[in-house]
Amino acid sequence: KQEVTQIPAALSVPEGENLVLNCSFTDSAIYNLQWFRQDPGKGLTSLLLIQSSQREQTSGRLNASLDKSSGRSTLYIAASQPGDSATYLCVCTGGGNKLTFGTGTQLKVEL
Amino acid sequence: GAGVSQSPSNKVTEKGKDVELRCDPISGHTALYWYRQSLGQGLEFLIYFQGNSAPDKSGLPSDRFSAERTGGSVSTLTIQRTQQEDSAVYLCASSLGAPGTSGRGGEQFFGPGTRLTVL
Repeated sequence: KQEVTQIPAALSVPEGENLVLNCSFTDSAIYNLQWFRQDPGKGLTSLLLIQSSQREQTSGRLNASLDKSSGRSTLYIAASQPGDSATYLCVCTGGGNKLTFGTGTQLKVEL
Repeated sequence: GAGVSQSPSNKVTEKGKDVELRCDPISGHTALYWYRQSLGQGLEFLIYFQGNSAPDKSGLPSDRFSAERTGGSVSTLTIQRTQQEDSAVYLCASSLGAPGTSGRGGEQFFGPGTRLTVL
C-alpha cells in the first residue's frame, strides 16, 4: 500500500526566503506525481505534474523534482512571498490509476 | 465551462436527512473524482469515474454513499441518512484522461468544494 509523507508538516519563513518542501513515497511504481496548493476554504490548485520518466518540472518560481528510485520529490519555491502561504500537497498516481495524497505541508510566509 | 464547479457551496442539514452534491467537470474531461476532507484531515478518496467504465467505488465509506455520472458529464454524490461524522468538505476533480495518462492528460483540476455540516 502506497504511503505518502510530507515533511515538514508546517513551515514558517520570512518573505524572500528560498524554501524546499519534501514528499516521500513508499512505492516507486508511480505513473506521475502532482503538486497542489490548497488555500483555506478553497479547493486545490494544480501547480506542477511530473511524469515518472521526468526528473523535474518548472513553473515560474516553482521547481519540482522527482527521484523515483529513492521515493522522493521536492518542491522548491524561490523568493517566497506572503501569497505563497497555503497548504501544499503532493499526490502520487500508481497502478490501477490509484491516487494517494500526501499529508500536506502548511506554509506561512511572513512579511 | 472554464473550470470544475460544485453546488451548493455550503449545505447544512439535519441528521438523518439525505443530501445531494453536484459536480460539473471541465467539458471534455473523461475522468471525474470525488474526495472528502474532514476538519484537519487529509483528502480521502471516495469514487472515480472514467469514461463509460464501471466506477471505482472502493473509497465509499458506507452504503449510505452513492454517486452517479450522467452522460459522462455531471456527477451527483448522494449521502442518505446523514450522520454527524459525514460533516466535511466534499471535493470534486476532473482530468482529461485517466490519472496515469502520459503528458498532462492525468492532471487533476479541482472544484471549490461543498462544505457539508450535519447537525
